[in-house]
Amino acid sequence: ETGVTQSPTHLIKTRGQQVTLRCSSQSGHNTVSWYQQALGQGPQFIFQYYREEENGRGNFPPRFSGLQFPNYSSELNVNALELDDSALYLCASSFSLNTEAFFGQGTRLTVV
Amino acid sequence: GQQLNQSPQSMFIQEGEDVSMNCTSSSIFNTWLWYKQDPGEGPVLLIALYKAGELTSNGRLTAQFGITRKDSFLNISASIPSDVGIYFCAGQGIYGGSQGNLIFGKGTKLSVKP
Repeated sequence: ETGVTQSPTHLIKTRGQQVTLRCSSQSGHNTVSWYQQALGQGPQFIFQYYREEENGRGNFPPRFSGLQFPNYSSELNVNALELDDSALYLCASSFSLNTEAFFGQGTRLTVV
Repeated sequence: GQQLNQSPQSMFIQEGEDVSMNCTSSSIFNTWLWYKQDPGEGPVLLIALYKAGELTSNGRLTAQFGITRKDSFLNISASIPSDVGIYFCAGQGIYGGSQGNLIFGKGTKLSVKP
C-alpha cells in the first residue's frame, strides 16, 4: 500500500506564472486536502475535495483552484503567482471525511 | 489564517528526559491530532484523539483531549535523539464549513542533546 505522493518535490517559478501541483492519495482514500505551509508556520488549509467535489475552502483567493479525479488523485493550480506564494504545499488524504489525514512529503514552491 | 496557541515554541532537553507540550484554542474541536515534521518532509501523524477526556498512548508518546474540548497536550517520555523535530497540534471541526479542515498550531521545535 503506497502512501500519499506529491509531484514535483521542488519547483521554481517566476512571478505572474501559473503552476500545477499533483497529489496521489493513499490507496482506499477518497478525500484530499491541500495546505500551504510558510517557513516557520503551521500548515494553513486551502481546500478539500471529497469524491471529486470541493468540500470546504480556507481563506485563499480564487487564483488557488483545484481538481479531484475519479481515481481520487488531485491537482492544485495557482494562477498569477506572487512572491508570497513561496511555501511548502502539502497534500493530505483520508479514508473519508472526518477521519485521520495522512500527509505527503510536500512540494517546495519558490516564486522569484 | 487561524492558528492554535501551541507552547513552548522550542525546547532543548537532555536525552532521557520527559517532554511536555500543549495546545489551546478559543474554539471547540471534535478531534485533536498530533503530528511530527522532520526537515523537508510532510507531517507524520502520531496520535489522534476523538473524545473529550480521552488519554491515548503510542509507545513513549501520550496525548490527552481536554475536557473543555479546547485544549490538548502531548507528552514524550525518555526522549531519544530521533525525537528531534517539530511537533504540531491540529484541531478538526466536524460541522458545516469546518468539516475536515485542520487548524494547526505554530509548532514546538524539539532539540535533544545526546
